[in-house]
Amino acid sequence: QKEVEQNSGPLSVPEGAIASLNCTYSDRVSQSFFWYRQYSGKSPELIMSIYSNGDKEDGRFTAQLNKASQYVSLLIRDSQPSDSATYLCAVGRYNNNDMRFGAGTRLTVKP
Amino acid sequence: GAVVSQHPSWVICKSGTSVKIECRSLDFQATTMFWYRQFPKQSLMLMATSNEGSKATYEQGVEKDKFLINHASLTLSTLTVTSAHPEDSSFYICSAREKAGAKNIQYFGAGTRLSVL
Repeated sequence: QKEVEQNSGPLSVPEGAIASLNCTYSDRVSQSFFWYRQYSGKSPELIMSIYSNGDKEDGRFTAQLNKASQYVSLLIRDSQPSDSATYLCAVGRYNNNDMRFGAGTRLTVKP
Repeated sequence: GAVVSQHPSWVICKSGTSVKIECRSLDFQATTMFWYRQFPKQSLMLMATSNEGSKATYEQGVEKDKFLINHASLTLSTLTVTSAHPEDSSFYICSAREKAGAKNIQYFGAGTRLSVL
């Protein structure tokens, strides 16, 4: 079992729709959770961080964390073509010295 | 967010030469920096963790004599790929950890694309 699992996609949604990205992790002592966006040929860009169970909203993005189910998700509302990218889920223990990344989900938002 | 500068962005070199990549945190002090490698269409793979003033901790399977890491100050870490070979061609990305309370967010540099001929 991979430490951090994501559906590789591709996930395709029409412009204006809600894109839902999912991530599961195996290490129960994980304490910090991140979503990064990576455009092709570029380095990852932090979108959201979440540390407590529940929802965290930032603009069009909502991160959801359920530690009991070892599950974290990212919702993108009103998806735009510029949201087309690979989304990486990252999970870390205390201090993040061993933060692990999922393989990423490729999202395509069609105009 | 915090800014991490990585240089150069692209390197083409001959097999057998050494390449140095610099990673700087521009507006914060990074006690810890990380070096990743990413092959096409694959995820980030952590190579090593570098703490200022101490030796880097390498991930299993990463040759420390081939990938030399120096973290001499709180704002600069370097990765030197020694005697590079075509199989070392990859996208190398550094990140620096900004300590925001207990949040410890990592910010990434723009990456260095290495092509070894």
